Amino acid sequence: DQQVKQNSPSLSVQEGRISILNCDYTNSMFDYFLWYKKYPAEGPTFLISISSIKDKNEDGRFTVFLNKSAKHLSLHIVPSQPGDSAVYFCAASVNYGGSQGNLIFGKGTKLSVKP
Amino acid sequence: GAVVSQHPSRVICKSGTSVKIECRSLDFQATTMFWYRQFPKKSLMLMATSNEGSKATYEQGVEKDKFLINHASLTLSTLTVTSAHPEDSSFYICSASRSGVTDTQYFGPGTRLTVL
Repeated sequence: DQQVKQNSPSLSVQEGRISILNCDYTNSMFDYFLWYKKYPAEGPTFLISISSIKDKNEDGRFTVFLNKSAKHLSLHIVPSQPGDSAVYFCAASVNYGGSQGNLIFGKGTKLSVKP
Repeated sequence: GAVVSQHPSRVICKSGTSVKIECRSLDFQATTMFWYRQFPKKSLMLMATSNEGSKATYEQGVEKDKFLINHASLTLSTLTVTSAHPEDSSFYICSASRSGVTDTQYFGPGTRLTVL
């Protein structure tokens, strides 16, 4: 059973517009969520995270929104740039007394930002 | 489809012993498998890339004699942590792709290693 789901395998957006990447999870114990960005032939790089005590976290052009009741989070990129074209992975974990548990990854969404 | 499993999910071992972690692609053939190590809270570090039937390519700073990687078949890769030390305690994740480093990677659930 997939605990973290990214239902859109790909997304195409025009440069300057907003990119919205979605992620759903099933395990209500998850309390820490992360987004990773991955370019071809490279490992994933950390982008932004959010704890379950928050519903929004912003870092520059990147904002992550968390809706706990819906078990849904989303990553907003605005404005989108061609360099944002990559695969984005959503990941979730359970924190045990401050120690992060195993990361569970979604299957990723490939974002293409067209000039 | 595209399910990757890892075994074991958690392992605790004594310092000086060796631990083997398996990564399997359950419903597809994986030409290439990747091994990552997660550092606290955020970063995921690529340790090595392995292609079926050939030697793994290790990233700079990763000791190939300590982290032995075998990719003997199109559905199985193993990571053996030899002579484990407490500093090797970490979360190890594998991923698999059908056809090489630029193809989509599917991640396994990870293995939590604790070395006492």
